[in-house]
Amino acid sequence: QQQVKQSPQSLIVQKGGIPIINCAYENTAFDYFPWYQQFPGKGPALLIAIRPDVSEKKEGRFTISFNKSAKQFSLHIMDSQPGDSATYFCAARGNDYKLSFGAGTTVTVRA
Amino acid sequence: EAQVTQNPRYLITVTGKKLTVTCSQNMNHEYMSWYRQDPGLGLRQIYYSMNVEVTDKGDVPEGYKVSRKEKRNFPLILESPSPNQTSLYFCASSRQGDQPQHFGDGTRLSIL
Repeated sequence: QQQVKQSPQSLIVQKGGIPIINCAYENTAFDYFPWYQQFPGKGPALLIAIRPDVSEKKEGRFTISFNKSAKQFSLHIMDSQPGDSATYFCAARGNDYKLSFGAGTTVTVRA
Repeated sequence: EAQVTQNPRYLITVTGKKLTVTCSQNMNHEYMSWYRQDPGLGLRQIYYSMNVEVTDKGDVPEGYKVSRKEKRNFPLILESPSPNQTSLYFCASSRQGDQPQHFGDGTRLSIL
């Protein structure tokens, strides 16, 4: 049973659009929520992460929004570029240091 | 260059033939882990190691073995591979268990 539910499975946007990926969790022991970006033929790479005491975090064009009461968090890619086309994974971790991943979202940014 | 190196990158083999996927990191990291990636399921943790000689099961350990005799190496062993272990495997490491993980580029296993 997947502990982190991620949607949508895939999405396509035009250059400059804002793809939004949503994740939800049930385990209230999770206290660290990273997002990973994966290009074909490569391993996932940490993109941005947030802890539940913060409602929003920005790094460049990437923003995480976090809603602790709803147990949901999302990734927004501002001014998306074709080079952002990749698979994105949300994840969650508790104090056992085990990462639970979402199923992944394939984002395609068309020029 | 800091990296996690997996070998082989691709392997096609047959049911029951023991195989080992090696993983090596050059960052002196304490924590290492193995994941499998399957379509629609994301990455699922197989085993992890907090330090040398310390290993523990992840979410899907059945059919796999690991060992951690040296800090830099964390091999994944399939004693008797079966077709349901056909997957894309990733090794990862981090300085400590609560630090961001660095992933290798993956090993694609096909078991016929």
